[in-house]
Amino acid sequence: GAVVSQHPSWVICKSGTSVKIECRSLDFQATTMFWYRQFPKQSLMLMATSNEGSKATYEQGVEKDKFLINHASLTLSTLTVTSAHPEDSSFYICSAREAGAYSNQPQHFGDGTRLSIL
Amino acid sequence: SQKIEQNSEALNIQEGKTATLTCNYTNYSPAYLQWYRQDPGRGPVFLLLIRENEKEKRKERLKVTFDTTLKQSLFHITASQPADSATYLCALKLSGYALNFGKGTSLLVTP
Repeated sequence: GAVVSQHPSWVICKSGTSVKIECRSLDFQATTMFWYRQFPKQSLMLMATSNEGSKATYEQGVEKDKFLINHASLTLSTLTVTSAHPEDSSFYICSAREAGAYSNQPQHFGDGTRLSIL
Repeated sequence: SQKIEQNSEALNIQEGKTATLTCNYTNYSPAYLQWYRQDPGRGPVFLLLIRENEKEKRKERLKVTFDTTLKQSLFHITASQPADSATYLCALKLSGYALNFGKGTSLLVTP
């Protein structure tokens, strides 16, 4: 089946550091990838939609200059949290939509990245 | 605004019983609805998709119903097992292909 790999799975860093999270589709090409954030006991909240070769589309309230998204290839999207602060600590999850998939086909999710900012 | 509501309280049931989880939505006219399973510290895993013209869908011990008049979906796990303990998420499509998730219902199946 389609596998999405997310790296790293856990990162702890100091306030002010920039952190890069990678999302890779291992056995399929993903024209679209999505980045979600999940706080404890809350639902996954969409942050941005990333399309290969174009600028990401951010949801209302998500700072595009703080959460930099790059989708340079059909198998890799990266999310960089710039100058991270403790309030950015959360569980970040990516998902990928297979190229050519019908609109009603499920997405494939990575296993998430736990980000803790001290 | 579009909202998805799931039982906010955890559901505890005994092994072998049927678990029933509820998903209600407002301000949506979805063409389909999806259910995912999420284990602690992991990403969601797709379980079932049901279309608006389908009343019921089954997959092994799982059954999903979809009532577009009531704006509700029910998710059933029959003959539940401790391994079924997880959080179950209901999801509807946002604009484009992104998903809007409910908060999820935590299910605990005890031996």
